Amino acid sequence: GAVVSQHPSWVICKSGTSVKIECRSLDFQATTMFWYRQFPKQSLMLMATSNEGSKATYEQGVEKDKFLINHASLTLSTLTVTSAHPEDSSFYICSALNRNRDYGYTFGSGTRLTVV
Amino acid sequence: GNSVTQMEGPVTLSEEAFLTINCTYTATGYPSLFWYVQYPGEGLQLLLKATKADDKGSNKGFEATYRKETTSFHLEKGSVQVSDSAVYFCALRRAQGGSEKLVFGKGTKLTVNP
Repeated sequence: GAVVSQHPSWVICKSGTSVKIECRSLDFQATTMFWYRQFPKQSLMLMATSNEGSKATYEQGVEKDKFLINHASLTLSTLTVTSAHPEDSSFYICSALNRNRDYGYTFGSGTRLTVV
Repeated sequence: GNSVTQMEGPVTLSEEAFLTINCTYTATGYPSLFWYVQYPGEGLQLLLKATKADDKGSNKGFEATYRKETTSFHLEKGSVQVSDSAVYFCALRRAQGGSEKLVFGKGTKLTVNP
């Protein structure tokens, strides 16, 4: 079946540093990937939609300079949290749209980011 | 706009009890509807889906029927197990202007006790 690998699964970084999270579709091409943020005991908040070879579309209220998204290939999208601060600590989840499987969405296993 | 409302949890049941998690939606057109499950510390897994009115999605003993007349997609299971303990999200797929996205409900945490 369709698999999306998200890496790392958890990361601790110092305030002011940048962290990159990778999302790879392992057995299908994903022209569209989505990045979500999930706060404790809350739902998923869509941050941005990334399309291969073009700029990401950010949701209202999401700082594009803070959360840099790159979707350079059909199987890889990256989210870089720049100049991280403690308030950026959260659970980040990516998903990939598999147009070859009835437009199914496959989710990564998530990345727990803790900024200290 | 498009939105999903699901019953607030947490829901606590004993093993073999009957489960219902209510979900209603607001949408233009006829969206596809989904239930996702999230186990602790993990991402989301698709549990079941329905793409048109009166469709019934089913998987692992869970069922949900797409009811256009009541704009609902309630999740049910006849006999829950401890391993069903997780957070369940109802979602609709919104396609608009060449782009699409999933809109999620707030999630319902289910705990099943032995």
